[in-house]
Amino acid sequence: AQTVTQSQPEMSVQEAETVTLSCTYDTSESDYYLFWYKQPPSRQMILVIRQEAYKQQNATENRFSVNFQKAAKSFSLKISDSQLGDAAMYFCAYSRNQFYFGTGTSLTVIP
Amino acid sequence: DAGVIQSPRHEVTEMGQEVTLRCKPISGHDYLFWYRQTMMRGLELLIYFNNNVPIDDSGMPEDRFSAKMPNASFSTLKIQPSEPRDSAVYFCASSPQGDYGYTFGSGTRLTVV
Repeated sequence: AQTVTQSQPEMSVQEAETVTLSCTYDTSESDYYLFWYKQPPSRQMILVIRQEAYKQQNATENRFSVNFQKAAKSFSLKISDSQLGDAAMYFCAYSRNQFYFGTGTSLTVIP
Repeated sequence: DAGVIQSPRHEVTEMGQEVTLRCKPISGHDYLFWYRQTMMRGLELLIYFNNNVPIDDSGMPEDRFSAKMPNASFSTLKIQPSEPRDSAVYFCASSPQGDYGYTFGSGTRLTVV
């Protein structure tokens, strides 16, 4: 069965600094999607970034970028120039016919 | 587009009562998903629909839970009778394709006392 592991339950970063959130997954498939979702205190789940496994180029969305290592089954999220509004729970997710979510990393941004 | 719309945003009910949660997916999205989120178990997929047809309901915890999608623009999740352990945030999400990524609603926080 596919599993998604986020080994960092909590992380903190100074405002304007860079932070990297880790995610690993287990699959025997070669074609799939990976995602990072953000859940702020408002509890809305917001799609941050999407990566298609057949694309070697790492996805980027403004200050958010990923480091996708397919062979290592690793999918980390880098947040540059961290802002107070980035404080949230971040979920990594894998999708191949069904979604699998990690347990989340709670990110605190320190002013 | 207004996004995925869920109602109510909060629901407090007494044990044994029937609870109905509602969802309006994004127009044109063929997939609709119901998730439950708790601190202990994280995000759990309860059921999903493709073109209004239930495809996988293996995550529905027990017969007290039922879900319907009578048309492309509306779905309900019903709990009857409700129990305190059903207290959670229930999310509805929709997607144009199964793997493409979800758009979530704002969730319904259910408290059963």
